[in-house]
Order: sequence, then C-alpha cells, then structure tokens
Amino acid sequence: EPEVTQTPSHQVTQMGQEVILRCVPISNHLYFYWYRQILGQKVEFLVSFYNNEISEKSEIFDDQFSVERPDGSNFTLKIRSTKLEDSAMYFCASTLSGSYEQYFGPGTRLTVT
Amino acid sequence: DQQVKQNSPSLSVQEGRISILNCDYTNSMFDYFLWYKKYPAEGPTFLISISSIKDKNEDGRFTVFLNKSAKHLSLHIVPSQPGDSAVYFCAASAPLNSGYALNFGKGTSLLVTP
Repeated sequence: EPEVTQTPSHQVTQMGQEVILRCVPISNHLYFYWYRQILGQKVEFLVSFYNNEISEKSEIFDDQFSVERPDGSNFTLKIRSTKLEDSAMYFCASTLSGSYEQYFGPGTRLTVT
Repeated sequence: DQQVKQNSPSLSVQEGRISILNCDYTNSMFDYFLWYKKYPAEGPTFLISISSIKDKNEDGRFTVFLNKSAKHLSLHIVPSQPGDSAVYFCAASAPLNSGYALNFGKGTSLLVTP
C-alpha cells in the first residue's frame, strides 16, 4: 500500500541553524500538508500546498518557515533559523484531491538544542 | 486556543466491551469532524468522519455520533479489540479552511486489555 515517507526520522540541530525536513507524498497525490506536535500538545496545522503554492497557512507558519516542492516527488519544510520552541514532531500529509481525510507520514522528530 | 477538546487523556477498556471516546468543540463554524488513530512511531491514520448535517455515521465496529447543540461528538468502538489500543485524535474543520486545515484535539490514549 502506498504511503507517505519522511526523512530523517530524527533531526538534532543547534538553535539558529537552518533545517530542511523532507517528505515524499503518495505518488499521485496533489495536495500536501505539514503539521507539528509539540510534546504533550495537540497536533497543529502549519500549511497546505497545492499547484505549487500555499493554499492556507496558520499563524505558526511565519517568515521563518517555507515549503517547496523541488521536484515531482519531494515536499520540503524549511525552518530558516531554528528556535528551542521549534522542537516538535513534524508530520507531512498528502491527498489526491483536497480532503480532510489525509494520509500522514510517520513524522520527523526535530530537537533544537 | 483549544477549539477541540478531548478531556480524557486515557481510557482503559476490556476486550469485547464498548469503548467510548469523547470530544467537545467550541467553534460553531466547524462543519466536518473526523477521528484519527495513531500508533507509536507512526503518523495519524484516518478512521471515520461525519458531516454536520448528520448525527451518526457507522463503519463496521466504529460509530461516530454528533450532537451539534451540545458541540459534542463521540466515537464508539464495539466490540473493542486489543489491536484498537492507540491514541485517538478528534479533529474538526470549518468551511473557511480552504486549505483543508484540520484542528486536532490532544488525543485520548485507549488501552484495550485482554
């Protein structure tokens, strides 16, 4: 069964450094999403992406964040200058058409020290 | 802001019995509700959904009930099985979410004991 994959599974970075989290959505999917979950908190929406542009973003998704679909298979989330509070599990999701029934990847645990 | 609340962090149920997971919401604009299930080291997996025009949706052992006046929904699992042990997230969306953003609760950890 096709699935969303994410790399790396765990990323440790120093405060102020740039990180890129990578996702490979399900191959024929056209809508892509990023969410994050800070430890002990709820899963929070960050951004949705369709047709090479952002469809919607939350107030968390400020100028420090950006997304890109650099080729036909990858979908990336970049954090320009990481802060301690960016430490969280980051989930990528995808859907064939715009849908709330989203397919999630296993997540990347980002630890900012 | 906690627009979707799951007030029970955990629930333990015996195999074969009914599991009832509850969820409350505050935003009256929400019109579509979903339950996701999450195992450790995996991402959330869609389980079942319900539109605000309905009050019940059933899929096999899983039934979701929606009480709009109380802004409350619940997930019933009958009969519960040990493989149902997971964290269950309630999620909601509003029609203005043009990007299909989901608002999640904090989750309820269900343990089904043999």
